[in-house]
Amino acid sequence: SQQGEEDPQALSIQEGENATMNCSYKTSINNLQWYRQNSGRGLVHLILIRSNEREKHSGRLRVTLDTSKKSSSLLITASRAADTASYFCATPRDSGNTPLVFGKGTRLSVIA
Amino acid sequence: GAGVSQSPSNKVTEKGKDVELRCDPISGHTALYWYRQSLGQGLEFLIYFQGNSAPDKSGLPSDRFSAERTGGSVSTLTIQRTQQEDSAVYLCASSYSNSPLHFGNGTRLTVT
Repeated sequence: SQQGEEDPQALSIQEGENATMNCSYKTSINNLQWYRQNSGRGLVHLILIRSNEREKHSGRLRVTLDTSKKSSSLLITASRAADTASYFCATPRDSGNTPLVFGKGTRLSVIA
Repeated sequence: GAGVSQSPSNKVTEKGKDVELRCDPISGHTALYWYRQSLGQGLEFLIYFQGNSAPDKSGLPSDRFSAERTGGSVSTLTIQRTQQEDSAVYLCASSYSNSPLHFGNGTRLTVT
């Protein structure tokens, strides 16, 4: 089954720096989503990018999608301590939109 | 309710006992998903519902696992004869049509 794999597994940066996380997937998709998970909580949807889009912005988040390389990146600019969380990419397992399959995530630590 | 509600939030059970985990999705959400997350790992898809039917049960790890959804709303995940390897956080999510998933905070299951 197709699955996103995030890279790096863990990332530690200073507050104010940018954080970049990458995701690779295996087969054709019609969209890719990024989610955030704070410790002990459920996942929260951040952004969805469709296969015909190359870049998308939401506040301090920027997501890119390269379907030829089957990869996506999530950039968080001017990071804050509150951005400390795990970040997951998710892709539809099948040709439809469900179910979503998730990678193992990137654990981001932002040090104040 | 405002979000997806899961109960109990924590459950400790003895090996061999049965457990029931409950999920109350967001009102009006037609799709409901169950995932399992082991410590420090990504999400493992278990099952999803469209309305009351479960088109895909392929993620259930064994026949000890079952789930049902009644009235297009509440869902129950049942694990019979629990084993220590069942210890994990069980996450429920709901969505409307193909919209992004809304997650509950999960049930942390510990089998002793």
